[in-house]
Amino acid sequence: GNSVTQMEGPVTLSEEAFLTINCTYTATGYPSLFWYVQYPGEGLQLLLKATKADDKGSNKGFEATYRKETTSFHLEKGSVQVSDSAVYFCALTRGAAGNKLTFGGGTRVLVKP
Amino acid sequence: GAVVSQHPSWVICKSGTSVKIECRSLDFQATTMFWYRQFPKQSLMLMATSNEGSKATYEQGVEKDKFLINHASLTLSTLTVTSAHPEDSSFYICSARGTGALHEQFFGPGTRLTVL
Repeated sequence: GNSVTQMEGPVTLSEEAFLTINCTYTATGYPSLFWYVQYPGEGLQLLLKATKADDKGSNKGFEATYRKETTSFHLEKGSVQVSDSAVYFCALTRGAAGNKLTFGGGTRVLVKP
Repeated sequence: GAVVSQHPSWVICKSGTSVKIECRSLDFQATTMFWYRQFPKQSLMLMATSNEGSKATYEQGVEKDKFLINHASLTLSTLTVTSAHPEDSSFYICSARGTGALHEQFFGPGTRLTVL
């Protein structure tokens, strides 16, 4: 079956530091890959997505590239802000995001001023 | 656009009682809604998928008689936790999927259920 593995947190960083959250997946065929963010007290929001190999998703300074050869979709941001403190979930689905999502365990990120 | 609300945002109930949680798509029609459960510091676990006007499809291991799902309209789905017990305490999250450009899951803010 499908599965997503992401690095465990919490990840604590200083403002303006570089952030990487590793995500690898197992899936048959060609899944679509997503990163969701959950800010404190809020629901999940789609941060970015990629639907085929070598696609790069980007939003709000975050980037992730769909690497089929390494089955990875690592999330990166060059300079984090305190407002980026949240829980980040990597997820996949076969087909569009409207189909069943399989989530990773989530990574809590804390950015200190 | 594509806002999903949940009500209540938190609820405390006594063991043995039933609790209903509502999920509404506020500005779009949701042909499909999903219900998830999230344990503290853990990921989301899909409980069931509901399509408007038909019976929900439950994931393996989820008791359909325990977690009753009704999707009576294109903007409302409800999850009823029947005869709740302390082990049902959790964070319940719904998502709604629209059509066309909105054919993705939009998530509600979640409902914190505590069973005493």
